[in-house]
Amino acid sequence: KAGVTQTPRYLIKTRGQQVTLSCSPISGHRSVSWYQQTPGQGLQFLFEYFSETQRNKGNFPGRFSGRQFSNSRSEMNVSTLELGDSALYLCASSLVGGSNYGYTFGSGTRLTVV
Amino acid sequence: DQQVKQNSPSLSVQEGRISILNCDYTNSMFDYFLWYKKYPAEGPTFLISISSIKDKNEDGRFTVFLNKSAKHLSLHIVPSQPGDSAVYFCAAIYSGGGADGLTFGKGTHLIIQP
Repeated sequence: KAGVTQTPRYLIKTRGQQVTLSCSPISGHRSVSWYQQTPGQGLQFLFEYFSETQRNKGNFPGRFSGRQFSNSRSEMNVSTLELGDSALYLCASSLVGGSNYGYTFGSGTRLTVV
Repeated sequence: DQQVKQNSPSLSVQEGRISILNCDYTNSMFDYFLWYKKYPAEGPTFLISISSIKDKNEDGRFTVFLNKSAKHLSLHIVPSQPGDSAVYFCAAIYSGGGADGLTFGKGTHLIIQP
């Protein structure tokens, strides 16, 4: 079965621009979570969507937003990009969210802000 | 404040020997713990998990031990193989629906030497 698909794999943007990343979860999975990975901070939780609703949110500024569509696909948007937003952005899907069903991660989108 | 800590950024182990990766947590609300393995340019891959009602969970070469009173868990890999060389992340969650998704440690880079 197909895994979690994230597009694009690599992206270079200029400071001040905005960017949209996409995540297609495993078929049947309704929960999609987003994480940011940086060398200094490790993996940090951004937000989780379930049935098109944001269910949980991490400690990130409002420039980071997301949405989920009726087919469970999710997009993440970052506006007014800063150099510090350069990171690997990972998406994870699970059946309903919560620990007992496990999370499957995509390969990530490597965002570089210059 | 880091709620999940992996104090060893790297660990070198000889092939065939036991690898022991450690993880400490501070939030007593966490009730489910997971280990993920990550290769460069790929997303984390789920390895093994343990519920707080257990103190040990085994899956093939991988065993996770949980000491709730010490807020400590460890991952044992026996015997270690070259393909085990990767970054290992410990993660924790409050399955009752906390706001933070999975909380990750910063990872331990395991190097298996021939």
